[in-house]
Amino acid sequence: EDQVTQSPEALRLQEGESSSLNCSYTVSGLRGLFWYRQDPGKGPEFLFTLYSAGEEKEKERLKATLTKKESFLHITAPKPEDSATYLCAVQANQAGTALIFGKGTTLSVSS
Amino acid sequence: DAGVTQSPTHLIKTRGQHVTLRCSPISGHKSVSWYQQVLGQGPQFIFQYYEKEERGRGNFPDRFSARQFPNYSSELNVNALLLGDSALYLCASSLDGNTIYFGEGSWLTVV
Repeated sequence: EDQVTQSPEALRLQEGESSSLNCSYTVSGLRGLFWYRQDPGKGPEFLFTLYSAGEEKEKERLKATLTKKESFLHITAPKPEDSATYLCAVQANQAGTALIFGKGTTLSVSS
Repeated sequence: DAGVTQSPTHLIKTRGQHVTLRCSPISGHKSVSWYQQVLGQGPQFIFQYYEKEERGRGNFPDRFSARQFPNYSSELNVNALLLGDSALYLCASSLDGNTIYFGEGSWLTVV
């Protein structure tokens, strides 16, 4: 069964304190791994799509990496405005474009 | 350019009633998907439509149905509402399945 597990469930950081969020997955043929940011009461905001092990993508203070079993979202020198829930999702080769999501990691950054 | 637009943003229904949710994809996107997100969970895939044809269905009962119109907009219909159907319903659109954008969602409360 295809599934996604994110850890930790919640993470509290001080402004400027870098850290990483983990997304481990099992899927029968990975087509793509997606990262989204979701603010309370809003829809998910697209961040990255990764396709193969070793791939990395960056956007401002965020950097996503991918291995054959997991992905990491590295947050460098976070600011309070980075506070949100970060969702990871996989897209399997046999499932069209449907996304299978993890439960998310809720990040709180205090100044 | 406008993003994915959904209506209504909030609605309250009584158990046993029927609801119709609407979605307009990003201009040029022919693929529309629907997801259900309950509080504290990641979104769960319901349907995907491409060029007006159903291309994927998640593990939801037959009370859930959808369709896509010639202009690529879409409707999600839920019959015989249950309390457990209370959730944020998200619509997503994609041009190629590699970058998937979500709308802000429709909050459904069943009382």
